[in-house]
Amino acid sequence: DVKVTQSSRYLVKRTGEKVFLECVQDMDHENMFWYRQDPGLGLRLIYFSYDVKMKEKGDIPEGYSVSREKKERFSLILESASTNQTSMYLCASGPGALNTEAFFGQGTRLTVV
Amino acid sequence: ILNVEQSPQSLHVQEGDSTNFTCSFPSSNFYALHWYRWETAKSPEALFVMTLNGDEKKKGRISATLNTKEGYSYLYIKGSQPEDSATYLCANNAGNNRKLIWGLGTSLAVNP
Repeated sequence: DVKVTQSSRYLVKRTGEKVFLECVQDMDHENMFWYRQDPGLGLRLIYFSYDVKMKEKGDIPEGYSVSREKKERFSLILESASTNQTSMYLCASGPGALNTEAFFGQGTRLTVV
Repeated sequence: ILNVEQSPQSLHVQEGDSTNFTCSFPSSNFYALHWYRWETAKSPEALFVMTLNGDEKKKGRISATLNTKEGYSYLYIKGSQPEDSATYLCANNAGNNRKLIWGLGTSLAVNP
């Protein structure tokens, strides 16, 4: 059974904190993605990675960074959390070509107060 | 069409009704079209990935068609059940790059 696991289901952080969201996949996928989902805006890509230590900016990378030191793990970092980063964060992974399905984690509901 | 657009935004049907919704996407440089179902409190799950013009795929009571020349895909649900209640997302991958462009989804509620 394939699995993408996000480290936390719910998280509450204070403004200015550095926040780490972790994602692990057990399918040996090359591609991993971080999205945020907000009402009325759909899924928006923050960053993605197509190989270890490789990363590309998505549509809304400002205020975020990522790390992929191992193939199975992709971390999203909020350098200094702000209230406008309160959102649902979804991690996904997929094989090299995007004519195959992506697999999603269960999501992390982050609240920044 | 520059973005992926889904319609309707939301839909309420009675149990047993059949229903369908639309995903429109840029027809140029088409590579793949994805459909996902996202139930509340769960992860989005893939339903179909379609690549060929005229393709039809089926999974149980759910089926999808694809027209890459005119840039649309239909998702059909036959005999809707309450467990079909979810948001249905489509996403387009164009130009063989690694990014998916997502629609905003169609929220389906099936009343028992």
